[in-house]
Amino acid sequence: QQPVQSPQAVILREGEDAVINCSSSKALYSVHWYRQKHGEAPVFLMILLKGGEQKGHEKISASFNEKKQQSSLYLTASQLSYSGTYFCGTEISGGAQKLVFGQGTRLTINP
Amino acid sequence: SQTIHQWPATLVQPVGSPLSLECTVEGTSNPNLYWYRQAAGRGLQLLFYSVGIGQISSEVPQNLSASRPQDRQFILSSKKLLLSDSGFYLCAWTTAKGGSYNSPLHFGNGTRLTVT
Repeated sequence: QQPVQSPQAVILREGEDAVINCSSSKALYSVHWYRQKHGEAPVFLMILLKGGEQKGHEKISASFNEKKQQSSLYLTASQLSYSGTYFCGTEISGGAQKLVFGQGTRLTINP
Repeated sequence: SQTIHQWPATLVQPVGSPLSLECTVEGTSNPNLYWYRQAAGRGLQLLFYSVGIGQISSEVPQNLSASRPQDRQFILSSKKLLLSDSGFYLCAWTTAKGGSYNSPLHFGNGTRLTVT
């Protein structure tokens, strides 16, 4: 049931772009994206619901393709503050009231 | 505004000792409550969740248990800790009720548990 994230780790220079993918073997009702700094709690970024919508949050946006059962997180012109581990959380059953998270993608932004 | 309190922040316990972690939410009513565990350098594993007082769903059958004695209180317990119970325990809440999960999860600051 756990979604699969790729890549597992990314190292970028400040200003470069990144794409993080999240794939599920189950049909998805919604996808959440969170960022966690080392030693801290995860922080909510955005939710995508069924319908293939794309949402944006400053220079961070995401898409959701329910037919392919996958979501992608796009980080453009990355900043040092974008460093951290990104998790996708998936709802695989409507009304199940729970999220199952991927294993995370560690993003390192260097000056 | 809503806040979530989780304590203690760190805990070192010997193998075989009991455990009690507490989480309370303020500023909202009838939240869904969750316990996640994160092993060092790993992902977030859902342990338990609750959609109401006394209603507990277990995702991982281990030596852990959870209880929700009050609407905004969620407790994680163990009678005898194992070395494998070490990790970062996170409590979370959301207002999502029924339908699609369209509300964010709000996490507490976590408890770092080391079992020695």
